[in-house]
Amino acid sequence: DGGITQSPKYLFRKEGQNVTLSCEQNLNHDAMYWYRQDPGQGLRLIYYSQIVNDFQKGDIAEGYSVSREKKESFPLTVTSAQKNPTAFYLCASSSGTGGENEQFFGPGTRLTVL
Amino acid sequence: RKEVEQDPGPFNVPEGATVAFNCTYSNSASQSFFWYRQDCRKEPKLLMSVYSSGNEDGRFTAQLNRASQYISLLIRDSKLSDSATYLCVVRPGGSEKLVFGKGTKLTVNP
Repeated sequence: DGGITQSPKYLFRKEGQNVTLSCEQNLNHDAMYWYRQDPGQGLRLIYYSQIVNDFQKGDIAEGYSVSREKKESFPLTVTSAQKNPTAFYLCASSSGTGGENEQFFGPGTRLTVL
Repeated sequence: RKEVEQDPGPFNVPEGATVAFNCTYSNSASQSFFWYRQDCRKEPKLLMSVYSSGNEDGRFTAQLNRASQYISLLIRDSKLSDSATYLCVVRPGGSEKLVFGKGTKLTVNP
């Protein structure tokens, strides 16, 4: 059953702690993305990766880091430098980055900073 | 002008109604357009791509007007299960990234 998985579904973090969100896909997609969604807001792009061992900053990369060591995996670390980390984090993948390549989303992780 | 702008909503309609959502985009070189649906506290899911000639999928019709930089989604014979937030999504010309509108919330009432 092909798809994108994210874990955990809910995550609570104390201020000053780094936390890593997992994203795995078995769709054999080359491109992967991380978005953040705040209430009443559109999705904002944090980082994206078009191929293994390469990634680019999105619109709001400050306070976040990523790695792409394997095609299937694109973990996101929310660092203590991120001032307002409480949000709904969505991972997506697509077979390419241009044209009609739509993005497919994982179920998301809700991060709350206590 | 925002890159992608949608009707703010919310829309509240009775079952069986026809409802239309509008969306405008600022980059005239944009090449790809999509409508996604997002249920409350869930991930967005692709509803349909939008083609230049317009396209239909059952009760859903999407249209693109490149001259006016305008996209629309028409839902006929609304069902309770159509209640969701509808996201207009655009790929600006030459970009690997998608730009998402804030979404329009639809509630279909019995």
